[in-house]
Amino acid sequence: AQRVTQPEKLLSVFKGAPVELKCNYSYSGSPELFWYVQYSRQRLQLLLRHISRESIKGFTADLNKGETSFHLKKPFAQEEDSAMYYCALLRDEKLTFGTGTRLTIIP
Amino acid sequence: NAGVMQNPRHLVRRRGQEARLRCSPMKGHSHVYWYRQLPEEGLKFMVYLQKENIIDESGMPKERFSAEFPKEGPSILRIQQVVRGDSAAYFCASSPPNRALNEQYFGPGTRLTVT
Repeated sequence: AQRVTQPEKLLSVFKGAPVELKCNYSYSGSPELFWYVQYSRQRLQLLLRHISRESIKGFTADLNKGETSFHLKKPFAQEEDSAMYYCALLRDEKLTFGTGTRLTIIP
Repeated sequence: NAGVMQNPRHLVRRRGQEARLRCSPMKGHSHVYWYRQLPEEGLKFMVYLQKENIIDESGMPKERFSAEFPKEGPSILRIQQVVRGDSAAYFCASSPPNRALNEQYFGPGTRLTVT
């Protein structure tokens, strides 16, 4: 069965510093991976998907099949990035989520 | 488009009562998914439905839980004879018929508390 691991429950980063939220997965097939974000008092929303290879709000994530990782990165953190971030893997219409990382940006 | 709607947002039930959670998908969406989030855990898949059909219920507990998505009206997640362990946040998501991007849009969730 597929599994998604986010090893950091909490992460604090100073404003302007680089951010990296870790995500590792286990899946025997070709994975389809996503990052979702939940800002305070808002619903879960899609941040980015690996197949699009896009940058959203300055965030990027590269799929590394050798390391089975899909880490989320941003070169310069902003205060509005403070939120809960979830990595998720899609298979057969079902999303498998990691436990999430709460990112706090320190002004 | 108001997005995926869920109600109630908060629901308190005593042990043994029934809980009914409603989800209205986004306009034009015909696929609905239910997820449960227990404290300190990630969201876990429960069931995937299309109109009048359950497509995948592999994540549903075998007893007391049921889901439906009728031709008219919202999708309903029903929990009979609730127990304390059912206390969780229940999220609904929907997606359009053309799922080329495989994106699921989430509702705000219903927080169920069993006393």
